[in-house]
Amino acid sequence: VLTQTPLSSPVTLGQPASISCKSSQSLVYNDGIIYLSWLHQRPGQPPRLLIYCVSKRFSGVPDRFSGSGAGTEFTLTISRVEPEDVGVYYCMQATDVPHTFGQGTKLEIK
Amino acid sequence: EVQLVESGGGLVQPGGSLRLSCAASGFSLSHSWMHWVRQDPVKGLLWISTTHGDGRITSYADSVRGRFIMSTDNSKNTVYLDLSSLSAADTAVYFCVRGANEWRGFDYWGQGALVTVSS
Repeated sequence: VLTQTPLSSPVTLGQPASISCKSSQSLVYNDGIIYLSWLHQRPGQPPRLLIYCVSKRFSGVPDRFSGSGAGTEFTLTISRVEPEDVGVYYCMQATDVPHTFGQGTKLEIK
Repeated sequence: EVQLVESGGGLVQPGGSLRLSCAASGFSLSHSWMHWVRQDPVKGLLWISTTHGDGRITSYADSVRGRFIMSTDNSKNTVYLDLSSLSAADTAVYFCVRGANEWRGFDYWGQGALVTVSS
């Protein structure tokens, strides 16, 4: 089970934001890699991949997005929030089958 | 450019059936893992099924096994999800998703197809 906190995060434009994702079990796969991803979903849009394997930015993702963590605790950080960053953020694990998602964190502008 | 375009969503009565299609472009299905993920306001995002384009493996979530069938037509580069014995609990947006080639997980998502089960 992936548990995200907070569920809602009002932030000020230009300020940092962080979201936590905690797993109920280790996400280390038998190859030693942690398959933890972060997705962003804007209203009316499909989810879009931001980060994979804990900290690798996907193609085209701005460098203000970064991922960190180990074991069972992970964090998505936005260094300076911009207007297009609003929406819901999900963590997802692909270590175990079935792949599962966190419940989502809604990022809103104050 | 990778693109996934779903079609076939709509309103269906309880107990009815529906076929969702996902037309893929920018890559070959025959070398790819493909997935269906659904999203509803109550349960959030839920993985439904997975298949490889070479047809060697297909798997399903417990909640849909025996009712949903995932398949591919590599000549059309299209993925299908056949839904049957539908109930209100299957009402959701269904996303076609590509599995990443170099790591475990999903990289590209389609825009989604809304399935509403209601009388």
